[in-house]
Amino acid sequence: DTGVSQDPRHKITKRGQNVTFRCDPISEHNRLYWYRQTLGQGPEFLTYFQNEAQLEKSRLLSDRFSAERPKGSFSTLEIQRTEQGDSAMYLCASSPGTSGTREQYFGPGTRLTVT
Amino acid sequence: KQEVTQIPAALSVPEGENLVLNCSFTDSAIYNLQWFRQDPGKGLTSLLLIQSSQREQTSGRLNASLDKSSGRSTLYIAASQPGDSATYLCAVLSHDYKLSFGAGTTVTVRA
Repeated sequence: DTGVSQDPRHKITKRGQNVTFRCDPISEHNRLYWYRQTLGQGPEFLTYFQNEAQLEKSRLLSDRFSAERPKGSFSTLEIQRTEQGDSAMYLCASSPGTSGTREQYFGPGTRLTVT
Repeated sequence: KQEVTQIPAALSVPEGENLVLNCSFTDSAIYNLQWFRQDPGKGLTSLLLIQSSQREQTSGRLNASLDKSSGRSTLYIAASQPGDSATYLCAVLSHDYKLSFGAGTTVTVRA
């Protein structure tokens, strides 16, 4: 396993369209996180899963955003009716859970541009 | 709410000089602290992780210290090289499993 992967790496969409991103975590990691990073800022927490359960959602995650992790494996993040303010880098991370260092391992990100 | 601040926001040094990057956080109840590197338009590369019970970590030319009680961490990069040019992000992990990031310090090492 080579690490966390994300697809697509880049997405350009028109305002009002729906987009979906995928994240494949490191296979033995049961926790999966989504973060959003806008230009010049650090990443901000959006949501996280333990196995298939979504345990917390940030207030940043409006009702246009939905995330799933069916069967506790890969995760998808969908944005409905995109707005220009959704343009950002969406980062996924995974960690092995409650034991050890709890280090989060990040994927390469999906850069979304809404025109 | 955890607030993480990084100073300075940008730094430009000649090659060979040592770099000192600062990070402060408001809530000392952290699980660990990580330093990341980010190249323009790319994802995050983990550099060092310091557990809350540790005082420092070292990897090659990099050394990071942690003073949890005062809410501070410092990343030292010795003998900087042009390849060290990037944005460096500090992040603290709270006991609720969420990472809180600073806005980063953008470093330019001049050849």
